Amino acid sequence: NAGVMQNPRHLVRRRGQEARLRCSPMKGHSHVYWYRQLPEEGLKFMVYLQKENIIDESGMPKERFSAEFPKEGPSILRIQQVVRGDSAAYFCASSPASGTDTQYFGPGTRLTVL
Amino acid sequence: GENVEQHPSTLSVQEGDSAVIKCTYSDSASNYFPWYKQELGKRPQLIIDIRSNVGEKKDQRIAVTLNKTAKHFSLHITETQPEDSAVYFCAARKAGTYKYIFGTGTRLKVLA
Repeated sequence: NAGVMQNPRHLVRRRGQEARLRCSPMKGHSHVYWYRQLPEEGLKFMVYLQKENIIDESGMPKERFSAEFPKEGPSILRIQQVVRGDSAAYFCASSPASGTDTQYFGPGTRLTVL
Repeated sequence: GENVEQHPSTLSVQEGDSAVIKCTYSDSASNYFPWYKQELGKRPQLIIDIRSNVGEKKDQRIAVTLNKTAKHFSLHITETQPEDSAVYFCAARKAGTYKYIFGTGTRLKVLA
């Protein structure tokens, strides 16, 4: 599972700025999931995407957050006008095109909002 | 809504002893239950999983049991070692969906 890549690993933003988090799934995987993890808490599902499609975004906040997974390139989680409460670790996971259950996680991006 | 409760939140055991972590899920349609281990500052790693059509699965020192009637599943680690120290998360996934609901985690400390 070392193949799931996320960058940057650490991101510092001031309130009101935009944060862009990138996730490159494992080779051959076309399903991507994004999770948020607050300190000392579990993983909260945010969104599930396939190439060029958002399948389930029921965990995404209604405002300021968006995600995409274009035909070419990594999946992007975008947070506009960040607030201190957005500070967290954001993990993506990928699974194969066959939709098997196993998810493989990336190393995470730790976002700090000053 | 969907919910997964995990207990205990922290667990300390002596090296060589067994550790048991229990999760209870709310949605009876859940059919897949993975367990993840997360070391400090690292990514969650799948250690074992179980599907609803079996009651128990074992992999060396790790086992998972599932009680569908009671809607709970447990992780058992035998002969614990210091390197087992980490946070362990359970999760449940409902049949026909891709959404995983995670427990709040158990911080396991294995004392040498």
